[in-house]
Amino acid sequence: QSVLTQPPSASGTPGQRVTISCSGSSSNIAYNTVKWYQQLPGTAPKLLIYRNDQRPSGVPDRFSGSKSGTSASLAISGLQSEDEADYYCAAWDDSLNALVFGGGTKMTVL
Amino acid sequence: QVQLVQSGAEVMQPGASVKVSCKASGYIFTRFYMHWVRQAPGQGLEWMGAINPSGGSTNYAQKFQGRVAMARDTSTSTLYLEVSGLRSGDTAVYYCARDRETDASGSFDYWGQGTLVTVSS
Repeated sequence: QSVLTQPPSASGTPGQRVTISCSGSSSNIAYNTVKWYQQLPGTAPKLLIYRNDQRPSGVPDRFSGSKSGTSASLAISGLQSEDEADYYCAAWDDSLNALVFGGGTKMTVL
Repeated sequence: QVQLVQSGAEVMQPGASVKVSCKASGYIFTRFYMHWVRQAPGQGLEWMGAINPSGGSTNYAQKFQGRVAMARDTSTSTLYLEVSGLRSGDTAVYYCARDRETDASGSFDYWGQGTLVTVSS
């Protein structure tokens, strides 16, 4: 059971806008920044979003992050076939003094 | 360019210890916190802990305290992760990752390629 809760799966058609939610608590998301990672099959994760809504250089602006209270979201606009991957949210948890991850969301492009 | 190159796959007996290395290059080694994250087959990501390469201080996830040791060698810009008392549940890909933020809050901008550790009798 992950500390951060994500839907196990999400899907969309090419060009569509899709969102992935990440639910936490007052000990993690509420007072700490949220990160999002993309993991393609057989590869190491890649940082998509840090500090809730910041994109590292090289990450397309189709990817955006937001946070409100104890929840966060990752939005992918103009969905593409190469976006088919697993997506993980993460945040520091003050009670556990540890970085916690969501269980991951498998994105399927129909 | 920044690179994190990890040691090769290991097959270990239950109860044994394993040591995984992660050699960093392309940046000033002591400037960025480093973390270890593992992923069991078909499962999600699990944070194991972090080390400050500058002073060597560590912070382990409670689950791994007493069974994990992280170390660094600044002369070779290499990190080490040692896991003792291996059991089948430790079978996973182990990743080292660099934190881009000074507060070590888990924004990993570079990752090693991963090291598969298989625990089997």
